[in-house]
Amino acid sequence: QVQLQESGPGLLKPSETLSLTCTVSGDIVDGGTYYWSWIRLPPGKGLEYIGYILYTGITNNNTNYNPSLKSRVTFSVDTSKNQFSLKLTSVTAADTAVYYCARVVRVSGAAHYYFYMDVWGKGTTVTVSS
Amino acid sequence: SYELTQPPSVSVSPGQAARITCSGDALPRKYAYWYQHKSGQAPVLVIYEDTKRPSGIPERFSGSSSGTMATLTISGAQVEDEGDYYCYSTDSSGNLWVFGGGTRVAVL
Repeated sequence: QVQLQESGPGLLKPSETLSLTCTVSGDIVDGGTYYWSWIRLPPGKGLEYIGYILYTGITNNNTNYNPSLKSRVTFSVDTSKNQFSLKLTSVTAADTAVYYCARVVRVSGAAHYYFYMDVWGKGTTVTVSS
Repeated sequence: SYELTQPPSVSVSPGQAARITCSGDALPRKYAYWYQHKSGQAPVLVIYEDTKRPSGIPERFSGSSSGTMATLTISGAQVEDEGDYYCYSTDSSGNLWVFGGGTRVAVL
């Protein structure tokens, strides 16, 4: 059974860098079959896709980021720990949210691929406050 | 940008059908997916590729899609089905991954 567990600091100050890690059990992050993603849920709002990463090698991973966050976000994979991570720079109160990691399935369609998240972690709460 | 629009809330009595809609311009060309989310828990995929139900999801959950609208139906809703439901899809290019604003389902 695949399980994902988020971890990281719960409280940051504005302008700091948020670093979160997702530990995967029951699957391997460098298997090349699944993508790995981050999604967040701000208080009182809906889910927001942050991005995904597919591990393809030490220096050449396939990533996709939400355009609204692209300038501040970076994903990485640590195959030795079977983890993938998120870094979000220059945080503000607007980055306060529950952050989820999730496994992404890629399905081949007639003309293109389809992607969706099939297994999620329980989430970790991040608060940005001075 | 691309948006998926859902009603903020739906209320039904136990045993009645709850229908949640999701509208988006690319839905005629892209699949819709549905997630159930209860506070403090991991979101759960209840419908994928418009109509398919993952193993372990009760048969009372079903999905359909027509034109620019996808619909999640909970037939014979139960109190345990209360929670927030989100549709998910992509824009026509497949590069923008988007969730709807979420619909809170109350069974009372």
